[in-house]
Amino acid sequence: AQSVTQLDSQVPVFEEAPVELRCNYSSSVSVYLFWYVQYPNQGLQLLLKYLSGSTLVKGINGFEAEFNKSQTSFHLRKPSVHISDTAEYFCAVTVRDSGYSTLTFGKGTMLLVSP
Amino acid sequence: NAGVTQTPKFRILKIGQSMTLQCTQDMNHNYMYWYRQDPGMGLKLIYYSVGAGITDKGEVPNGYNVSRSTTEDFPLRLELAAPSQTSVYFCASSYLAGGNTGELFFGEGSRLTVL
Repeated sequence: AQSVTQLDSQVPVFEEAPVELRCNYSSSVSVYLFWYVQYPNQGLQLLLKYLSGSTLVKGINGFEAEFNKSQTSFHLRKPSVHISDTAEYFCAVTVRDSGYSTLTFGKGTMLLVSP
Repeated sequence: NAGVTQTPKFRILKIGQSMTLQCTQDMNHNYMYWYRQDPGMGLKLIYYSVGAGITDKGEVPNGYNVSRSTTEDFPLRLELAAPSQTSVYFCASSYLAGGNTGELFFGEGSRLTVL
């Protein structure tokens, strides 16, 4: 079975500073990787996903992530954060090309952006 | 286009009571899911469905039941509510299985408290 570890439960950062949210996964087979964002009192929405091809994936709101197979990581980055990026971010994994495979989520990282 | 709609948004139950969380989607998605979210624990899959009449257990199914009589609706029933079921519940749907695209569309959540 696959699993996801998000190494930081909370990341405080000042506005306009860069940020990296870390995600490591474990799986014995090939996987697809995702980042979801949850704004306060809302459901989750897809930020970006890695399915194949270029290991650098760009998502919405200026976020990007890099798939590193050798380090089994999929860290999320943004060069300059805004107050509005304050939210909880979830990394997720699923088995590649498996018809009924479901997503496994990490425990989440709360990004706190202050002025 | 409403997406995924969950009702109720908030509910307080007494121990031993039963209730049903409603979920409906208008995107004609075959795949539907119920997750629960507990602080610091991420999302855990309770049940999922790959189409009308077909459901399967997720990671934490005990104490819950589901049915899928139509493509649109996927209600979650709690029998004999317990304090351990205090949580935020999210319904989600997807066009393809998670193993193919991973793009889940989430409802806004139902916050349940069992006292």
